[in-house]
Amino acid sequence: AQKITQTQPGMFVQEKEAVTLDCTYDTSDPSYGLFWYKQPSSGEMIFLIYQGSYDQQNATEGRYSLNFQKARKSANLVISASQLGDSAMYFCAMREGLDNQGGKLIFGQGTELSVKP
Amino acid sequence: GAVVSQHPSWVICKSGTSVKIECRSLDFQATTMFWYRQFPKQSLMLMATSNEGSKATYEQGVEKDKFLINHASLTLSTLTVTSAHPEDSSFYICSARDPRGSAREQYFGPGTRLTVT
Repeated sequence: AQKITQTQPGMFVQEKEAVTLDCTYDTSDPSYGLFWYKQPSSGEMIFLIYQGSYDQQNATEGRYSLNFQKARKSANLVISASQLGDSAMYFCAMREGLDNQGGKLIFGQGTELSVKP
Repeated sequence: GAVVSQHPSWVICKSGTSVKIECRSLDFQATTMFWYRQFPKQSLMLMATSNEGSKATYEQGVEKDKFLINHASLTLSTLTVTSAHPEDSSFYICSARDPRGSAREQYFGPGTRLTVT
């Protein structure tokens, strides 16, 4: 069964507007971490934001915020004030367990975001 | 922050030959590293977990005899694609977790683009 689901293959947003990228997950482990990465055409994976399953508040990192709804098992990424440089692939990922060893990530299918001038 | 390097960044090889890709953690020791494969416009698929000093753990459907993983030291894991075929052409990315860091610190190498002719 798919553990991480991104239902939006592609999204368009006007420059300076906000955009929400959807991500739902499935796990029976009470301890997990959720990540969002940006992958430009160069291929590098750029870390954007992290939310731990026990974190009480939604994570924020500059223009990025994570709308964490634990009961719905969703972890949507909100990008405010979109910039042309935000055009890229965006991946949601989950790591089950919060131990200090291991740490494999399971990725969603990705969403290709295009920012229009 | 911690850095993970990969070498080479790109490689072209002939069908039937073998190619080795190195993944190094530059300023931390990683007992565990992860190898992913990514086809164009697709997600990152976990291939295997590389464990220092022991055998790698392969994901279902990944041929362990074809994708040889050696984690010889706490800072180096290698992936060898043996008897490469054109269908092995892909983007290979490694990642590692800094055990000294927080749960969010999961680092990716810049990736290796393999083309088999």
